[in-house]
Amino acid sequence: GIQVEQSPPDLILQEGANSTLRCNFSDSVNNLQWFHQNPWGQLINLFYIPSGTKQNGRLSATTVATERYSLLYISSSQTTDSGVYFCAVRVTGGGNKLTFGTGTQLKVEL
Amino acid sequence: DVKVTQSSRYLVKRTGEKVFLECVQDMDHENMFWYRQDPGLGLRLIYFSYDVKMKEKGDIPEGYSVSREKKERFSLILESASTNQTSMYLCASREVGPNTEAFFGQGTRLTVV
Repeated sequence: GIQVEQSPPDLILQEGANSTLRCNFSDSVNNLQWFHQNPWGQLINLFYIPSGTKQNGRLSATTVATERYSLLYISSSQTTDSGVYFCAVRVTGGGNKLTFGTGTQLKVEL
Repeated sequence: DVKVTQSSRYLVKRTGEKVFLECVQDMDHENMFWYRQDPGLGLRLIYFSYDVKMKEKGDIPEGYSVSREKKERFSLILESASTNQTSMYLCASREVGPNTEAFFGQGTRLTVV
């Protein structure tokens, strides 16, 4: 099956710093989402981004499907950005399943 | 906004009990999913439903069953709960089609003692 690897696995930032999270996948996908899992466990939708670039406030994402990776940029980080960030993909022709990456645990400190 | 609601945030059950986890979505989505999340293992698909009364096994269906009698509601059933089913359970829904976005509920943290 498809492998979805995220890096780095853990990240500690000072408030105000910028960061880039990466998601690599091993097969062709037609669907990619980024989620933030808050401390209570809920998965919050950040981006639906099978290709191209999107921005939402301090967050932006880029997916280069032909090279099988996606990037999530966090600028001017805040303590409320802490949590786990997941990318999830659907394999082209692979049915309905979303396969999740390994996650990046982010901690933003004052 | 899409809303996916799981009936409980925290649940404690005894070994051998029959357990029902309920999920309701308000966007008329055809597809609904149940995942479990465990440290070191990530999120894994248990079952998926693509229509009322229709279901497909995911990666780890053993020990679970599901019910979808109405489009908006998808139930996960633990026939006889065991301690290795202690986990975080997450429900999701999505419109039909390849280019559609999945939305998740708030999660149910189940402990089986």
